[in-house]
Amino acid sequence: TQLLEQSPQFLSIQEGENLTVYCNSSSVFSSLQWYRQEPGEGPVLLVTVVTGGEVKKLKRLTFQFGDARKDSSLHITAAQPGDTGLYLCAGDRGSTLGRLYFGRGTQLTVWP
Amino acid sequence: DVKVTQSSRYLVKRTGEKVFLECVQDMDHENMFWYRQDPGLGLRLIYFSYDVKMKEKGDIPEGYSVSREKKERFSLILESASTNQTSMYLCASSFSTSGANKAVSSYEQYFGPGTRLTVT
Repeated sequence: TQLLEQSPQFLSIQEGENLTVYCNSSSVFSSLQWYRQEPGEGPVLLVTVVTGGEVKKLKRLTFQFGDARKDSSLHITAAQPGDTGLYLCAGDRGSTLGRLYFGRGTQLTVWP
Repeated sequence: DVKVTQSSRYLVKRTGEKVFLECVQDMDHENMFWYRQDPGLGLRLIYFSYDVKMKEKGDIPEGYSVSREKKERFSLILESASTNQTSMYLCASSFSTSGANKAVSSYEQYFGPGTRLTVT
């Protein structure tokens, strides 16, 4: 059973469109991270959100942590082909061993 | 810059062979992780280690073992490779999340480029 459910699994859009990716759980997380993975590479951290209701912006990317710390969203404004990649959310449950729980990912393709 | 390196980018092995995948990190991280990544299944944790010679099972440890004799190196071993172990294997490392080092940033994992293993 997946602790974090991501949707949609695939997203194919035109350059300039907006999109939102969701990461949901019935469990509470101490923090939640978003990673992006490009073909042939490992995932790279984009952002960490910690406080319920927190909103963080990274240029055209907006990340939100739900008030109850059970869900998160990633919104991209005016998507560009360079945004193409696999987006993964990952949550920590306060383990002292550093374990993260990953969602299955959203494969985003932005066409020029 | 943190660097996590994996011994091979591509590997082809035969069924029944013993396979070693090696991972080295240069940031003095306490924690190291092995995942496998399959289309539609995301990252699944195989094993992780929080200190030299210490290991913990992840969600799918069957058919795998690990070794951590030095802090910077974490090896994944497939004792007898099978075709269902064909996958992308990713290694990651992070700082300790306990004691004086505990901070939100401790949970950030740094990944290697992956090893695509094919078992025929």
